[in-house]
Amino acid sequence: AQSVSQHNHHVILSEAASLELGCNYSYGGTVNLFWYVQYPGQHLQLLLKYFSGDPLVKGIKGFEAEFIKSKFSFNLRKPSVQWSDTAEYFCAALRNYQLIWGAGTKLIIKP
Amino acid sequence: DVKVTQSSRYLVKRTGEKVFLECVQDMDHENMFWYRQDPGLGLRLIYFSYDVKMKEKGDIPEGYSVSREKKERFSLILESASTNQTSMYLCASTSGGRPASYNEQFFGPGTRLTVL
Repeated sequence: AQSVSQHNHHVILSEAASLELGCNYSYGGTVNLFWYVQYPGQHLQLLLKYFSGDPLVKGIKGFEAEFIKSKFSFNLRKPSVQWSDTAEYFCAALRNYQLIWGAGTKLIIKP
Repeated sequence: DVKVTQSSRYLVKRTGEKVFLECVQDMDHENMFWYRQDPGLGLRLIYFSYDVKMKEKGDIPEGYSVSREKKERFSLILESASTNQTSMYLCASTSGGRPASYNEQFFGPGTRLTVL
């Protein structure tokens, strides 16, 4: 079955550390990929998306993600995290016009 | 700003009750979605609608039905609630017509339903 995998369910970092959250999808062909974030007590919101073109995508709040087709990956990165980045992060892929979601990664930033 | 609102933030119901969850969006979006969010499972699509009175099953439609009588409103119905339907329910909407577009999905705050 087509799926999206996020291998780290919980990540704890100190402020100013660099962040990389993994996301892999299981199918070939055209892919459209998203990262969403859910801050504590808030709605899910879009961080960034990839449809085509430059495989390095920049999003809000200093986040970026790199689409590597050969690795079926779309990892989320931030060079220096802040306490306010504490949230749950979801990777998703568009399949037949519906989103398939990963299980999410809970990120905790220690001040 | 797009606003998606859900009728309740928290709901407690008893097994066998009929439960209505309502979602309203104010941006004239064609597409609306109902998901459930469970720890370790991410979001799973229950149903979606790409137009008034149109609906399509998602990945886990069993035990649920939906209604879309007006463009701005999408209701999720649990005909006979069961304990395994205890979950967070999220509504989302997006513009673009059918097929559902590549546009950003805008989410409501969620309804945490507990079935006792």
